[in-house]
Parts: sequence; structure tokens; C-alpha cells
Amino acid sequence: DIQMTQSPSSLSASVGDRVTITCRASQSMSSYLSWYQQKPGKAPKLLIYAASSLQSGVPSRFSGSGSGTDFTLTISSLQPEDFATYYCQQSYSTPWTFGQGTKVEIK
Amino acid sequence: QVQLVESGGGLVKPGGSLRLSCAASGFTFSDYYMSWIRQAPGKGLEWVSYISSGGTTISYADSVMGRFTISRDNAKNSLYLQMNSLRAEDTAVYYCAGVVMKYYYYMDVWGKGTTVTVSS
Repeated sequence: DIQMTQSPSSLSASVGDRVTITCRASQSMSSYLSWYQQKPGKAPKLLIYAASSLQSGVPSRFSGSGSGTDFTLTISSLQPEDFATYYCQQSYSTPWTFGQGTKVEIK
Repeated sequence: QVQLVESGGGLVKPGGSLRLSCAASGFTFSDYYMSWIRQAPGKGLEWVSYISSGGTTISYADSVMGRFTISRDNAKNSLYLQMNSLRAEDTAVYYCAGVVMKYYYYMDVWGKGTTVTVSS
């Protein structure tokens, strides 16, 4: 199984900050990487697919990069509605696996 | 609009069974792979299973293999998850999701989830 490790597990940031979350895979997986945002009590929402493609309707302050084993989600200017938990997920091979999540909190 | 609505969750005793349903609307259900994902209380997301658009390709997480069965009825725009031999560790919110399976694979539409509690 491919293990996905996110860092940090949590972070505190202010509105307007640039935020970077990293996701490392235990083996190379090309660009089969998605990022999801989840708010408390809500379903996850797709932000990024194929490592760097922005899902339709998602604000352009979100961006993704990377390939192989190392991936990054960046929020260029954090907005109040961005405080949530973010998950990476690989679909390179089954079982599909998620990272443990990164909780973005208000400083 | 594009919508997935799960149902069938509830309280069940260990060893019991439950059948979850997911009703799709607003998109061509038969074009999509479909998946189940779960989230235990206070925990992260865990992929459970997926099924191909025609139902011929199926995959399961090891944790549910042999106990859960995924199926679909394209005529009814519905996805199902039959869960047998339930354990306490199956307690979770269960989400269905539509999977885009072109060159890359990703879950672009999600339901709101249904809660399964396994307890005596």
C-alpha cells in the first residue's frame, strides 16, 4: 500500500498569510494526487486533481504542485472561509489512501 | 443540480448487517465510477471501495474485503454498499462519491454522508 504522510498535522495562520501543506508518498506515483478540503460536519470538497489541476469553481488562491513522491498544496492568501482540514489522496494504486489531514486554524 | 444522497445508516449490533444506498441526480450516473469513503468519529478519511461505471470492475480496502459488497443499478441511478459482519471499528460516517476515471482519477462529487454506528 502507498502511505501518504502530510505535514504539518496542524498549523495556525492569519488571514492573508501564505500557507503551504506538504504530502509525501511512500513510493512514486506520478501525478495521481488529489487535494480535498473538509469543514466540520461537512463532506470533503475536491480542490486539486492530477497534482496541479484546479477543480472548476475553486478559487485561484489554491494551487498544487509536485510529482513522484512529493506534493504541495499552497493557499496564496488565506481567507476566513479557508479554515478547515485538508487531505491529500493518491489514486495511483489500490487501496487508494489519504494523508492523515492538516488542520488549518486561526491564529 | 449535481447531487448524491446517502441513506440507510443507523445503529446495528456487532455481527449485524446494514445496506447503504446512494441516490444520484443531475449527472449521467452510468458514465461515472462510484466510490464509498468513510470517516470514523474524530478521524481522517478512509477509502472503502469503488465500482466501475458498468459494474464489472470492483476494488475494496483490505479492512472490508469479504464483509462488504458494493453494487450499482444504473437504471435507478443508485449505488449500494451491503455491509455484513459489522464490527465496532466500522462505526463511521459513510460518504458516496463520483469518480472521474479519465487519465487521472479523482472524486469530484460527494454526498453529505450517512452515519453507521456499530454498538451493543
